[in-house]
Amino acid sequence: ETGVTQSPTHLIKTRGQQVTLRCSSQSGHNTVSWYQQALGQGPQFIFQYYREEENGRGNFPPRFSGLQFPNYSSELNENALELDDSALYLCAMQTGGYYGYTFGSGTRLTVV
Amino acid sequence: EDQVTQSPEALRLQEGESSSLNCSYTVSGLRGLFWYRQDPGKGPEFLFTLYSAGEEKEKERLKATLTKKESFLHITAPKPEDSATYLCAVCSNDYKLSFGAGTTVTVRA
Repeated sequence: ETGVTQSPTHLIKTRGQQVTLRCSSQSGHNTVSWYQQALGQGPQFIFQYYREEENGRGNFPPRFSGLQFPNYSSELNENALELDDSALYLCAMQTGGYYGYTFGSGTRLTVV
Repeated sequence: EDQVTQSPEALRLQEGESSSLNCSYTVSGLRGLFWYRQDPGKGPEFLFTLYSAGEEKEKERLKATLTKKESFLHITAPKPEDSATYLCAVCSNDYKLSFGAGTTVTVRA
């Protein structure tokens, strides 16, 4: 148990649909990041939120968007799903002053 | 752009056979180099953070070292439960993590 909870654990969507993935923590973390991990690859940075504002973004199109709420929970929204969006989506929360991140167990998204 | 390259891609070891994993990196302003362990279908589990060249950290059968251009993860006398994918990542001035593709380690009894 990492203390970072993601839901749902698995999801199947049809191409063109929209999806919302969620992340929460038992304790407050003011920085949350989202990563996409394709099969056999390392995680790729999508974006990061600090105190409810996006403060960094990777090479992902605008149809990937996010939110961070006052209770430090977060959402990742994807519109117009494509087959290549099939991946494990990971949420990471910054823990303490050592620049470390604690990851959740991820959401496995399959787009058919 | 920050880059991380891990080698080898896969490593098959006999129980007790020590080995090392390599992580070479280029980064603009290293804030930290991280090692994570990832089991199939799970999120990465934190192992170590290294901040400066010459630093070493140990945990059970694992030892991580850092130079200015690469890091090594040494596995001493591995056991089957050490089988996993080991990920290396660097954190730069923008606080994002850039990961390598990982090394998948299989330890046979």
